Amino acid sequence: AAGVIQSPRHLIKEKRETATLKCYPIPRHDTVYWYQQGPGQDPQFLISFYEKMQSDKGSIPDRFSAQQFSDYHSELNMSSLELGDSALYFCASSPSERRSENIQYFGAGTRLSVL
Amino acid sequence: AQKVTQAQTEISVVEKEDVTLDCVYETRDTTYYLFWYKQPPSGELVFLIRRNSFDEQNEISGRYSWNFQKSTSSFNFTITASQVVDSAVYFCALSATDSWGKLQFGAGTQVVVTP
Repeated sequence: AAGVIQSPRHLIKEKRETATLKCYPIPRHDTVYWYQQGPGQDPQFLISFYEKMQSDKGSIPDRFSAQQFSDYHSELNMSSLELGDSALYFCASSPSERRSENIQYFGAGTRLSVL
Repeated sequence: AQKVTQAQTEISVVEKEDVTLDCVYETRDTTYYLFWYKQPPSGELVFLIRRNSFDEQNEISGRYSWNFQKSTSSFNFTITASQVVDSAVYFCALSATDSWGKLQFGAGTQVVVTP
């Protein structure tokens, strides 16, 4: 079965650079979530989209932005990168409607290293 | 606001032993969902089980079983006859109606299974 696809899997950037992470949800899933997992920490919710509209926002820095496109894939844009942005970034998708019962299926993550 | 507490940081067992992971949650919502996810060393997050707040029936699925007790706000997870491949970080997570699917994770419990 198709899973959530994230690209790239690994990314190395310098401080103050920008990065773009991409997420392709499971087919027919129209809700996408982004999470950030720092070293040794639990995943923290950043932002979510439902039907191409932002549906919820967590502790996402103003330097980050995201959007969901017409084909439901999503991109997380990160600017002015800081050392503290080094983390594993997960995208998850769930079936239609913003519902708390939906199982979120996670991609393999993008490991971002800021040097 | 929701909160998930996993008091056990790490559990070490020998293969074939049972291992029980504790999870205590807090929420003001009457409708919520509880999840267990597994994060093996490769890093991906794998969905294991889901339980809703109205169903306290405990179940067994293969080597996995769970004990949901609303009275104590606990959602414990047991792996029976552990195997080396069970070595991973296990996260308990909560999703409540007012958060539209945003997962609140616990800190995770590292399970180490040795041969």
